[in-house]
Amino acid sequence: AQKITQTQPGMFVQEKEAVTLDCTYDTSDQSYGLFWYKQPSSGEMIFLIYQGSYDEQNATEGRYSLNFQKARKSANLVISASQLGDSAMYFCAMRGNQAGTALIFGKGTTLSVSS
Amino acid sequence: DAGVIQSPRHEVTEMGQEVTLRCKPISGHNSLFWYRQTMMRGLELLIYFNNNVPIDDSGMPEDRFSAKMPNASFSTLKIQPSEPRDSAVYFCASSWRGINTEAFFGQGTRLTVV
Repeated sequence: AQKITQTQPGMFVQEKEAVTLDCTYDTSDQSYGLFWYKQPSSGEMIFLIYQGSYDEQNATEGRYSLNFQKARKSANLVISASQLGDSAMYFCAMRGNQAGTALIFGKGTTLSVSS
Repeated sequence: DAGVIQSPRHEVTEMGQEVTLRCKPISGHNSLFWYRQTMMRGLELLIYFNNNVPIDDSGMPEDRFSAKMPNASFSTLKIQPSEPRDSAVYFCASSWRGINTEAFFGQGTRLTVV
């Protein structure tokens, strides 16, 4: 079965610093997609970044980048130059054919950014 | 596009009552997901539709839960009878089918069963 593991319940970082949120996954699929979402305290789910399993380069979207290490089955989110508005819950997720392309989420990591 | 629309945004009901949550996906999307979010269990996938057909309902907690998608623009999640442990935020999300497409989420329905 597909599984996403986020081992950091909470992370703390100061403004302008970079932070890495960990995500490991398990799947027997050869082709799959990895996603990160942000959930601020207001509750909405915001899509941040996507990485395909066959993409050779790590995905980047503004201050967000995905450190994809396929052999280790890890897809860590890197946020550069943290801002107070980055304080939120962050979820790693994946889609693969094994689960009929369902989108499966990890438990999430709460990021707190201080000034 | 208005995005994924869920109703109601908040629902308070008494134990034993029937609860129906509604979702209108983004026009053109052919995959629809229902999730439940709690502090203890995180974001759980309840059921997943492709082209209005339920593909995987293994996440539905028990027979009290049922979901339908009668057409491409509407889905319901019903709980009958409701119990206090069903209190949670329920999200609906839609996407194009495929492993490389993100899902777009509704604002969620906060359900409280007293």
